[in-house]
Amino acid sequence: QKEVEQNSGPLSVPEGAIASLNCTYSDRVSQSFFWYRQYSGKSPELIMSIYSNGDKEDGRFTAQLNRASQYISLLIRDSKLSDSATYLCAVNWNYGQNFVFGPGTRLSVLP
Amino acid sequence: DVKVTQSSRYLVKRTGEKVFLECVQDMDHENMFWYRQDPGLGLRLIYFSYDVKMKEKGDIPEGYSVSREKKERFSLILESASTNQTSMYLCASSPPGGSNYGYTFGSGTRLTVV
Repeated sequence: QKEVEQNSGPLSVPEGAIASLNCTYSDRVSQSFFWYRQYSGKSPELIMSIYSNGDKEDGRFTAQLNRASQYISLLIRDSKLSDSATYLCAVNWNYGQNFVFGPGTRLSVLP
Repeated sequence: DVKVTQSSRYLVKRTGEKVFLECVQDMDHENMFWYRQDPGLGLRLIYFSYDVKMKEKGDIPEGYSVSREKKERFSLILESASTNQTSMYLCASSPPGGSNYGYTFGSGTRLTVV
């Protein structure tokens, strides 16, 4: 059974700080990785994807992938109140069309 | 703006009823998916479809079936609703090679079975 794990949180950070969200996955035969943001009562929305080892930056967001450690992370710089949400990581295996999602980490940005 | 539309935002049904959840996408995507989301369990895949009239079981297909008669529409059917099917149901779509693009989700249907 392929699994994706995340700390459920809540992770609380002050406004303006860096939030670090982590995700591990169980199988090395993985292709692509995505981060989604989900506000309470809403559906997930795609933030960014990463396919290669290393860092990928998009505005205030940086995704990090370490295939050897089977670990991905999302850094949110200059956290804003509007970043308060649940963050889901999703992993695609074997070039299939579907993803396995982690349970999500709830982020709370405090004023 | 591209969209995945789910027909109902909230739905209350009785135990034993046959329930239809509809999903329509206007992006000409080949791939469509049905997930349910429950607290502490995350998103779990029920069924997906790569093409018209094609369907594949996901991780938790028991008690559900699907229909895809047209490319843009993917329906989830609860054959005989039970209280343990109370959940948020999310439809998603992606283009071929979806592993490179991720999903676009619908707004979700919160189903309560009483």
